[in-house]
Amino acid sequence: AQSVTQLDSHVSVSEGTPVLLRCNYSSSYSPSLFWYVQHPNKGLQLLLKYTSAATLVKGINGFEAEFKKSETSFHLTKPSAHMSDAAEYFCVVSGNAGNMLTFGGGTRLMVKP
Amino acid sequence: DAGVIQSPRHEVTEMGQEVTLRCKPISGHDYLFWYRQTMMRGLELLIYFNNNVPIDDSGMPEDRFSAKMPNASFSTLKIQPSEPRDSAVYFCASSFSTNNSPLHFGNGTRLTVT
Repeated sequence: AQSVTQLDSHVSVSEGTPVLLRCNYSSSYSPSLFWYVQHPNKGLQLLLKYTSAATLVKGINGFEAEFKKSETSFHLTKPSAHMSDAAEYFCVVSGNAGNMLTFGGGTRLMVKP
Repeated sequence: DAGVIQSPRHEVTEMGQEVTLRCKPISGHDYLFWYRQTMMRGLELLIYFNNNVPIDDSGMPEDRFSAKMPNASFSTLKIQPSEPRDSAVYFCASSFSTNNSPLHFGNGTRLTVT
């Protein structure tokens, strides 16, 4: 069994300040972990993925995430927020059973000018 | 590659009518997924296929929902009869068959049932 908890349903930051979106997971297997972003009226787009290689994963648009097994966390960060980062972000875990993905509830990121 | 293509982008229909949503996955992907997204429930997996064969349809809400994948490049999700509570955004996604292969999503079909 696997599960994903996104600890904040909404995060608000000012443009130019750091972004932190928190994600905790549980999995019976060595998981693969993903972050997706969803802009309004769009499908989900892959930001980055962790697949048991380097624990610090760099993604698109300046985002990165660090896999911490001891904390069962996979938080998403960005040093400086841009207005275009305003969107919904989903943390996703993939287990051992084929392509079964478990989605977190999502975090809506708001960026203030 | 054009990505996952869904049609129509928007569908407005009256209660009781049949609705058919269409999806063309990325060429070469052998997994196809149908998801539904609502404010109340978030993203829900409805059904997924592997090599055109339905593997798990436990997420399909009722017998009014059915999905087919007649070939590797086309899938449909049908609702008959439709009800107002079916109003949602329906996403199709596809991927390769490894457990670290990411899903590629279409832009979704926004369904409104009045």
